[in-house]
Amino acid sequence: AQKVTQAQTEISVVEKEDVTLDCVYETRDTTYYLFWYKQPPSGELVFLIRRNSFDEQNEISGRYSWNFQKSTSSFNFTITASQVVDSAVYFCALSSIVAGNQFYFGTGTSLTVIP
Amino acid sequence: DTGVSQDPRHKITKRGQNVTFRCDPISEHNRLYWYRQTLGQGPEFLTYFQNEAQLEKSRLLSDRFSAERPKGSFSTLEIQRTEQGDSAMYLCASSLAQLLGEKTQYFGPGTRLLVL
Repeated sequence: AQKVTQAQTEISVVEKEDVTLDCVYETRDTTYYLFWYKQPPSGELVFLIRRNSFDEQNEISGRYSWNFQKSTSSFNFTITASQVVDSAVYFCALSSIVAGNQFYFGTGTSLTVIP
Repeated sequence: DTGVSQDPRHKITKRGQNVTFRCDPISEHNRLYWYRQTLGQGPEFLTYFQNEAQLEKSRLLSDRFSAERPKGSFSTLEIQRTEQGDSAMYLCASSLAQLLGEKTQYFGPGTRLLVL
């Protein structure tokens, strides 16, 4: 079974603070992909990053960084020096070939950055 | 290419009416997906196509729901005899499926359905 858990429902931070969004996944597959998407109030899901199960190297893109740890089945997302424009709902998702490539999404974390 | 587009963006209908949504994927993408998202939840998979073939359907997809992708390009999702529980955002996504490659799905803006 495929499952993604985002335990943090809502997070509020003051602008310029760092914030980490947690994602824990479950899968029996050895080959799988993990994703993060951002959903601003407009509603469109915006792709942020993809990671495959064989690549545990952490990644940094500007103020965003991702920490993938297979040992704990986690794929956490950190925003450094948060900005008001970061306010959105963030979804973590899992897909695998065995599961037919459909995505399994977590319930999302709503991030509010207070100016 | 400007990405995945969906039409209409909003739809209000009365219970019992039929509705149809359209999705135009990114032109070179061979896979097309439909998801449903309710308030406070992540998107839930409904069905997907590879070219014109519908390869998988979720148990969420009742008999009142039907999807088509007749020429392997755009797709339609029809809901017959709508119920209030069908009120949700319907999201379309597309991807380029390769043997060992691309798995990223790119999403459209969604169609928000309200059934009165």
